[in-house]
Amino acid sequence: NAGVTQTPKFQVLKTGQSMTLQCAQDMNHEYMSWYRQDPGMGLRLIHYSVGAGITDQGEVPNGYNVSRSTTEDFPLRLLSAAPSQTSVYFCAVRAPSYEQYFGPGTRLTVT
Amino acid sequence: EDKVVQSPLSLVVHEGDTVTLNCSYEVTNFRSLLWYKQEKKAPTFLFMLTSSGIEKKSGRLSSILDKKELFSILNITATQTGDSAIYLCAVPGRANSKLTFGKGITLSVRP
Repeated sequence: NAGVTQTPKFQVLKTGQSMTLQCAQDMNHEYMSWYRQDPGMGLRLIHYSVGAGITDQGEVPNGYNVSRSTTEDFPLRLLSAAPSQTSVYFCAVRAPSYEQYFGPGTRLTVT
Repeated sequence: EDKVVQSPLSLVVHEGDTVTLNCSYEVTNFRSLLWYKQEKKAPTFLFMLTSSGIEKKSGRLSSILDKKELFSILNITATQTGDSAIYLCAVPGRANSKLTFGKGITLSVRP
């Protein structure tokens, strides 16, 4: 039982490149979210999904796309990376009781 | 808009001290308040509080909620260096997946 997994753990991109951060869960929960964490800013919600086929924007959605074709997977796409997207990204899965479980994170640097 | 404010933002104590971390919130349709501990990696769940005045306890950590005054405290007694971490407080919002986080309290415990 892996819980929430994220890949890659580290990534360096050049400005303008695109990439997809992967998130997968084996907890069979409907609700999944993507956060970014920056020093002094706390965790900020990028996008979230309440189930397969349903996604919505969070607090800081610009420059990111998501899709949810299955319960298990919730990838986050950076369309054209910018230095402002340098951050640590966490995927999270929320249980019906509102307890939230986080993946190990992806540290992204955009040069 | 839902709001979570944590204080102080950072704290330095010595081993053996007792600390109190504060979290105040404004949220429509309150359901629960959650505390997380974040060391070097992803946040890990500590407590979920739903009822006023009922203390949740785990070892040297305890937490209580005041729904009238809209705040929660997290107490750590006999602190150890392993308690050094960022402590995050969060509340679920109206939308199913949206957890609003405070900016976190950075606790440093010196030997």
